[in-house]
Amino acid sequence: DVVMTQSPLSLPVPVGQPASISCRSSQSLLNRDGNTFLHWFQQRPGQSPRRLIYRVSNRDSGVPDRFSGSGSGTDFTLKINRVEAEDVGVYYCMQATYWPGTFGQGTKVEIK
Amino acid sequence: EVQLVESGGGLVQPGGSLRLSCAASGFTFSDFWMTWVRQAPGKGLEWVATINQDGSQKYYADSVKGRFTISRDSAKNSVFLQMNSLTIEDTADYYCAKGRGGDCWGQGTLATVSS
Repeated sequence: DVVMTQSPLSLPVPVGQPASISCRSSQSLLNRDGNTFLHWFQQRPGQSPRRLIYRVSNRDSGVPDRFSGSGSGTDFTLKINRVEAEDVGVYYCMQATYWPGTFGQGTKVEIK
Repeated sequence: EVQLVESGGGLVQPGGSLRLSCAASGFTFSDFWMTWVRQAPGKGLEWVATINQDGSQKYYADSVKGRFTISRDSAKNSVFLQMNSLTIEDTADYYCAKGRGGDCWGQGTLATVSS
């Protein structure tokens, strides 16, 4: 199975400051059709997960533009331009290029 | 508005069975893959199973292969997860998600395996 490794696992950030989460896969997520099925999810406390970014860098509908995704191959990053209080929660990367799909361990973002 | 509503969770003894359901609305159900993801208490997300549009392709996590079965009924706009031979390690919130990439999730249903 493809192993997804996130860092850091805990990220205290002052409001208004940027935040960056790294996600690395144990093998390239680029498939033979040229697609990379790497997605990012946010799970606020007590809520269901919500997808923020699909296929590396595409924001889902309604997601604020302070969230951005980048990367290729095995290295990916989720950035929050200026953290707001509502961004507190756990963030997961997930690969869906290979079966089974696999998630990273999660990164807990909190306000410092 | 896309809605996914899971049901069927509950308390079951080790070795028992549960059948989870997910009722979908707000989109053309037959056009999309559907996925189940679970989350043990205080833990991260674990992909469980995915089914394609017509039910001809099904994929499972190794941890549930041979014990869980995913299925769907397009007439009812629903996807199911039959869970057999349950163990304590299967205790989790089970989420239904739209598509292979999970662009929309339900609120989850809790399955508790305990004696």
